[in-house]
Amino acid sequence: DAGITQSPRHKVTETGTPVTLRCHQTENHRYMYWYRQDPGHGLRLIHYSYGVKDTDKGEVSDGYSVSRSKTEDFLLTLESATSSQTSVYFCASQGAQADTQYFGPGTRLTVL
Amino acid sequence: AQKITQTQPGMFVQEKEAVTLDCTYDTSDQSYGLFWYKQPSSGEMIFLIYQGSYDEQNATEGRYSLNFQKARKSANLVISASQLGDSAMYFCAMRDSGGYQKVTFGTGTKLQVIP
Repeated sequence: DAGITQSPRHKVTETGTPVTLRCHQTENHRYMYWYRQDPGHGLRLIHYSYGVKDTDKGEVSDGYSVSRSKTEDFLLTLESATSSQTSVYFCASQGAQADTQYFGPGTRLTVL
Repeated sequence: AQKITQTQPGMFVQEKEAVTLDCTYDTSDQSYGLFWYKQPSSGEMIFLIYQGSYDEQNATEGRYSLNFQKARKSANLVISASQLGDSAMYFCAMRDSGGYQKVTFGTGTKLQVIP
């Protein structure tokens, strides 16, 4: 399995505070993704990256920004957290082979 | 825009029986990839199987097989000889053909295996 880690694994924060989630992969994969998972919605794509400093919006990008300054790291920032952003966040990466997306363990974020 | 539809929110299957989880997709691309993932109650996403749109044979991985019907735009997952450990959420997903390799997921099917 690809080495993908996420930090923190759990976080509780208050409305209005900025939050940054980190995804780190050791496979030198080009493509990286951030998803959120909510009951009844499956996984929805927030942002994705197709290379260092190359990112684009997914279907639920409002209120989120990302940065990728190194191949191995993909950061997701909630600029001003809201209760609607309480969710489980998954990071994933994919190599050039494109036949598998490897997922991190997830981050459970609670916004009070 | 791509769309993945999983019409079965929940399913039951008897242990040792086979089960089919449905997945249909909508895309105008000629080249795409289809995935199935398993998510047990512990929460991790486990890759099960992949099918490329140009693959002529259905993909198989152990007890998992993907019944790919391109004309019908369906990519059903078949699990043979169900085990109690197969109880989980199952997600179908599709990767587009663009250079960005964007992936869209369905809403999932919760499978429960009955002893």
